[in-house]
Amino acid sequence: GNSVTQMEGPVTLSEEAFLTINCTYTATGYPSLFWYVQYPGEGLQLLLKATKADDKGSNKGFEATYRKETTSFHLEKGSVQVSDSAVYFCALSEGRGSTLGRLYFGRGTQLTVWP
Amino acid sequence: DTEVTQTPKHLVMGMTNKKSLKCEQHMGHRAMYWYKQKAKKPPELMFVYSYEKLSINESVPSRFSPECPNSSLLNLHLHALQPEDSALYLCASSQGTLAPYEQYFGPGTRLTVT
Repeated sequence: GNSVTQMEGPVTLSEEAFLTINCTYTATGYPSLFWYVQYPGEGLQLLLKATKADDKGSNKGFEATYRKETTSFHLEKGSVQVSDSAVYFCALSEGRGSTLGRLYFGRGTQLTVWP
Repeated sequence: DTEVTQTPKHLVMGMTNKKSLKCEQHMGHRAMYWYKQKAKKPPELMFVYSYEKLSINESVPSRFSPECPNSSLLNLHLHALQPEDSALYLCASSQGTLAPYEQYFGPGTRLTVT
């Protein structure tokens, strides 16, 4: 079956620190992978995505590389800001051509950045 | 424009009330979704509509009744809810259900059942 495992939070960092949030997955076929971010009191925003092995998704200084050999999609940012404080969800969708409209989410990781 | 709108933002209802949540998108997406999210948890899929037809119902109780009047609108009708149904209800849309796709989420409706 399909599943996503995220590192447990919360993660607390000082401003300008380096961020890594680990995400590994189990899937049949060749899934697409996503990172979503949820700010307090809001819905989820798509942060970045990768649709095939070795793809790197990037947005707003965040990056993640689709590693098939390690079944991972770790989120990184070189220098976090207070405004990055949010909950981050790793997610996967069914492989290419699947018609099932389903996302599988990790448990979410709370990030708090202090000035 | 990647906006999905939801109304109302907050809703408080009693267990005997009937209310509806509304979701709208104007991105030409043909798939729309309802999710339920409890505090500190990931969203849980409730329903999927593809081309205005219900394609997935995740064994949701019948007190939740979805409706897709057209490709831009998605409603969730609520009746005889329980306090444990209090949660953030999120709507999402995508171009279709054919992978790979990304889903775009609305801001949610915060529902409290008293």
